[in-house]
Amino acid sequence: KAGVTQTPRYLIKTRGQQVTLSCSPISGHRSVSWYQQTPGQGLQFLFEYFSETQRNKGNFPGRFSGRQFSNSRSEMNVSTLELGDSALYLCASSLGTTGTEAFFGQGTRLTVV
Amino acid sequence: GENVEQHPSTLSVQEGDSAVIKCTYSDSASNYFPWYKQELGKGPQLIIDIRSNVGEKKDQRIAVTLNKTAKHFSLHITETQPEDSAVYFCAASKISGNTGKLIFGQGTTLQVKP
Repeated sequence: KAGVTQTPRYLIKTRGQQVTLSCSPISGHRSVSWYQQTPGQGLQFLFEYFSETQRNKGNFPGRFSGRQFSNSRSEMNVSTLELGDSALYLCASSLGTTGTEAFFGQGTRLTVV
Repeated sequence: GENVEQHPSTLSVQEGDSAVIKCTYSDSASNYFPWYKQELGKGPQLIIDIRSNVGEKKDQRIAVTLNKTAKHFSLHITETQPEDSAVYFCAASKISGNTGKLIFGQGTTLQVKP
């Protein structure tokens, strides 16, 4: 059974640009959550999508957005990149029903220069 | 607000010794507590979890205990091996209503010396 796949693995962008990251969940999983990981702030929840609808949202500015497609694949977008957006972006896949485990991908390392 | 405190931030043990990592959560409605292990260059890997209707759960060398009254939960690793060296994260979640949102502790870097 394939795990959670995130693409690309690494990205370098310039301040002011926008970026789109992709996440393919485990087959059969309907929930995809996104997290930002930085040395200073640790792992912080961005948002969760379930059946193409945003079900939960963390405390990030509106520059961070996402969507989910009918096949459960998800994308997140960051517009007007800032240096502080440099981080490891992780997505987690789960069945989405109560009490189910979340499995993480390897992440996308975004560097903003 | 929702918060999870994790201690210690670093832990160094000799191979074969036990390691204990402790977490405290603030939201009394939290009822699901997973633990993740993250190795360099990889995403977090779920190693064990516990739900609030259980006080203890064990899986081979790993065990987790939960004290709902004190809002504490702990990870215990026995007979540590060098391959246990990694960063460990605790997390808390409310199963109903907010499925998918995990609040993480700051992480514990465990070093197991051979």
